[in-house]
Amino acid sequence: DVKVTQSSRYLVKRTGEKVFLECVQDMDHENMFWYRQDPGLGLRLIYFSYDVKMKEKGDIPEGYSVSREKKERFSLILESASTNQTSMYLCASRLRTGLPYNEQFFGPGTRLTVL
Amino acid sequence: AQSVAQPEDQVNVAEGNPLTVKCTYSVSGNPYLFWYVQYPNRGLQFLLKYITGDNLVKGSYGFEAEFNKSQTSFHLKKPSALVSDSALYFCAVDWGNTGKLIFGQGTTLQVKP
Repeated sequence: DVKVTQSSRYLVKRTGEKVFLECVQDMDHENMFWYRQDPGLGLRLIYFSYDVKMKEKGDIPEGYSVSREKKERFSLILESASTNQTSMYLCASRLRTGLPYNEQFFGPGTRLTVL
Repeated sequence: AQSVAQPEDQVNVAEGNPLTVKCTYSVSGNPYLFWYVQYPNRGLQFLLKYITGDNLVKGSYGFEAEFNKSQTSFHLKKPSALVSDSALYFCAVDWGNTGKLIFGQGTTLQVKP
């Protein structure tokens, strides 16, 4: 089974802090994704990566950056946390682009509170 | 712009009755459609997908969904609901096989005994 793990289930940070959210997958997947989930808004894509060292902006990249130095690890960085970044953050991975289509597998999520 | 809509915030059904969770989409070209389920304090679990071929797709836990191109819909169905099906359900679409999923806002399913 694919396993996607996230470094923390719950995190509390202060406004202005630099925050790192880590995601690791153990199935040699090429693609990795970061979403945030907010009630009534569903999931929105922040950043994604098709492969190591690659990154692409999603729909809401402002205030975030990412790093993918190793294939199995995709980090989301909040350069200066703000209260409007309080949310549930979900990481996902999938084998690769192309056909047959490969679905995404999600981690358990990190609930971040910024005070 | 591409979008996905789940018109119901919550669906309530009695155990043993059929259930439907609705999803419509607005995507140009040929969409790839998905349903995911989220149990409390958990990540999303994949249920089923439509890529091409038969409009009726079957997935995990007895769920199925029907792709209707003319109505741009992809409703999730199950013939007989279980209390354990109570969860948050998300419809999603990928256009052009980019992997960039667009999600609906989610529908909470409550199955009462």
